[in-house]
Parts: sequence; C-alpha cells; structure tokens
Amino acid sequence: ETGVTQTPRHLVMGMTNKKSLKCEQHLGHNAMYWYKQSAKKPLELMFVYSLEERVENNSVPSRFSPECPNSSHLFLHLHTLQPEDSALYLCASSPQTGDGYTFGSGTRLTVV
Amino acid sequence: DAKTTQPPSMDCAEGRAANLPCNHSTISGNEYVYWYRQIHSQGPQYIIHGLKNNETNEMASLIITEDRKSSTLILPHATLRDTAVYYCIVRVYTGVWGAGTKLIIKP
Repeated sequence: ETGVTQTPRHLVMGMTNKKSLKCEQHLGHNAMYWYKQSAKKPLELMFVYSLEERVENNSVPSRFSPECPNSSHLFLHLHTLQPEDSALYLCASSPQTGDGYTFGSGTRLTVV
Repeated sequence: DAKTTQPPSMDCAEGRAANLPCNHSTISGNEYVYWYRQIHSQGPQYIIHGLKNNETNEMASLIITEDRKSSTLILPHATLRDTAVYYCIVRVYTGVWGAGTKLIIKP
C-alpha cells in the first residue's frame, strides 16, 4: 500500500449503469487528482482538487463527475459511459498542487 | 508546460547500472525534475526528484546537468524487478506525462 487507497480494484459496468470510484488518503495531503490511462497511452490528467475545491477540469466529458467531500477522500461518479472509457483510473495526492505525487494502485474499469 | 523527451525503450543487463536519459530543454528555473516508474498496470511509483544538485536515495541517483536542460536517472545495480516504464516529469502538476522509457532488465 502506498498511502493512497483506491476501491474497487476492478469494475465491470454496463453503459447504462451508475457507479462510483473511491480514493482515500491519510497522508495529510491537500491536493488530490484523477488520472486516466487507456491501453498503451500516456497518463491523462482529468481533475485536480486543492483543499476540496476543483482547480482543474481537463475537458472531461460530463459523464465523469468528481466529488471531493474532504481533503482525504475523492470520488469519481460514472454514468452512461462508453466502451472507449474502459481504462485504468488512477488517483493521486500531493502535499500541495505542484508537489510530487503519491499514486494509488488504480481501478481497472471495463465498460461493456 | 515544460515538456520532456525520453528514448522509448532501453535494455540493461541484470546487475549493471541502468542510465536513463531525459531532455527538458524548456524547463523553468523553479521547476523540479521528477522521476516515476510504472510497473505493468500499477500506479506510478515515485523514485526521486531534484532541482539543481545531484540527488541520491535508496532507489536511484539523479544527475542534472549544470544548465538543467537534461538529466539522467541511474539505477546502480539493476534487477529484474526494475523492469518498468520510467517517466521523467517537470512541473508535476501537468496533464502532459509523455510515453516514458520502457526499461527491460535482462538476465
């Protein structure tokens, strides 16, 4: 465990389902991030939160909805996804935005 | 955002030093160089970072050129478990990660 815990590790969902990914850190970090990594592609930054406020949304479709209820928890709510959204979704945290990351192990999402 | 350039792949014999280069010619004066590695389908793992001076920790050494336009990550005694994709990043808070270097350690 790296200090950033993601659940579930694997998720298979239909295109009409609603599901949520959870990320939790108890490192005392103030910034949290969602990244997407599609097969054989580089990491793509999706969302950045600093002190529970969203500070960046990298043109992510509205079918992905982040939520940061406190500085230790980050969620990614998913609805009406497409098969091309199948990917490894990684959560990371850092002391402040711009500091080095600690990543979770990721959630492997398959949309069928 | 400062971008980096890395070779797509490298091989290294087990037990030898692995030297991974990175070019970051547009780096700004206050931007750090970070190195991460990603072992198949796991989350990236932090290795080391530096600003100007060379750095060493239990995992690796980081050599940064005086003009800061390039750096080299050194794994002093590579093992099979060091096989991974290695990412060189500047300005960590960025959406641009690049493809990294796939390092294969051969027995």
